[in-house]
Amino acid sequence: SQQGEEDPQALSIQEGENATMNCSYKTSINNLQWYRQNSGRGLVHLILIRSNEREKHSGRLRVTLDTSKKSSSLLITASRAADTASYFCATVPLSGGYNKLIFGAGTRLAVHP
Amino acid sequence: GAVVSQHPSWVICKSGTSVKIECRSLDFQATTMFWYRQFPKQSLMLMATSNEGSKATYEQGVEKDKFLINHASLTLSTLTVTSAHPEDSSFYICSARSQRGINEQFFGPGTRLTVL
Repeated sequence: SQQGEEDPQALSIQEGENATMNCSYKTSINNLQWYRQNSGRGLVHLILIRSNEREKHSGRLRVTLDTSKKSSSLLITASRAADTASYFCATVPLSGGYNKLIFGAGTRLAVHP
Repeated sequence: GAVVSQHPSWVICKSGTSVKIECRSLDFQATTMFWYRQFPKQSLMLMATSNEGSKATYEQGVEKDKFLINHASLTLSTLTVTSAHPEDSSFYICSARSQRGINEQFFGPGTRLTVL
């Protein structure tokens, strides 16, 4: 079952602006991952943050994790039109032998030139 | 590395027919493969987890007799949608995980199924 929620559901910004997406989850996790999906395509892994980490960077991406609030955020800086896609967080619960990815509802990001 | 392919990329079939979707790990051995379905503008819902050489584990609410999963080799898993109906129309995505990387799943490009 889905355990994550994301907000906003949709985000529309101009090129050059920053985009922030939030994700909340319900159970204790081993790690949290962010994925990107272009329309009608498969998922591309962006970044993984472990439960004992608070922040991680990868290029223009910055991810934070607050396990006390069971929430994470993904920040895309200096956005580009090519960043237009849906972004999903996914958690690996502590229970279940690290066997599952539980996806959030996703945020549809539109970056306008 | 870590490429996962799916075949076909899209399929249209008549109601009542069965459709087989293949998921292959091209450059690594996938001890575990996952099957998801995704409705338009929605998230991915895990359907089942399959380990090579053993029966698949289905999520609650997923009919194992309708969605047959076979993971006969370390590089191939198949999902067969039996007696498909229009409500089975969806985007089906597989992912694969190697023995080494328990934290990372590599996703296939997906298969769009349309049942008329």
